[in-house]
Amino acid sequence: AQSVTQPDIHITVSEGASLELRCNYSYGATPYLFWYVQSPGQGLQLLLKYFSGDTLVQGIKGFEAEFKRSQSSFNLRKPSVHWSDAAEYFCAVGAWNTGNQFYFGTGTSLTVIP
Amino acid sequence: DTGVSQNPRHKITKRGQNVTFRCDPISEHNRLYWYRQTLGQGPEFLTYFQNEAQLEKSRLLSDRFSAERPKGSFSTLEIQRTEQGDSAMYLCASSTGQGEAFFGQGTRLTVV
Repeated sequence: AQSVTQPDIHITVSEGASLELRCNYSYGATPYLFWYVQSPGQGLQLLLKYFSGDTLVQGIKGFEAEFKRSQSSFNLRKPSVHWSDAAEYFCAVGAWNTGNQFYFGTGTSLTVIP
Repeated sequence: DTGVSQNPRHKITKRGQNVTFRCDPISEHNRLYWYRQTLGQGPEFLTYFQNEAQLEKSRLLSDRFSAERPKGSFSTLEIQRTEQGDSAMYLCASSTGQGEAFFGQGTRLTVV
């Protein structure tokens, strides 16, 4: 069955520090992978996506993610965090062979301290 | 392109009442999804339309829930005889083919 695991419920980083949010997935075929960000009371905004090709993908707001098939991982990174990055981050897998659903992790809440 | 639009943004209702939410997807998107999100959780799939056809429904979608997309454009999600457990954020998303989903701002339902 398809699933997405985000092992870190909450992460706190200092402004200017680097960030890595972990994501592991379980999927029986080549996955389509996404990272979304959600501010309180808002919908989800796409940060980046991986469909195929280069395993290091660049997204908006200076984020990047690396797909590692051997580890079933798609970790999100940012070299220098800004206070405005504080939000909830969701990893998702697109399961096209099971009805075109998107399966989401439970999210990682990011707090940025000055 | 104004993105995915959801109305209302907030809804407070008494237990037992019926509520209806509307979603207007991005115009050229033929796929439309409804998700439910509770506090501290990721979005959970409810149902999916391709054009006007409802192709899949989650087990989360009890008989009190019904969704329609009558002309393959906007969609409505109705909850009958609301219960406190229905309190959640209801998210709508749309997409084309095998691409990313674009989400609306959501409708926050509170059942009192």
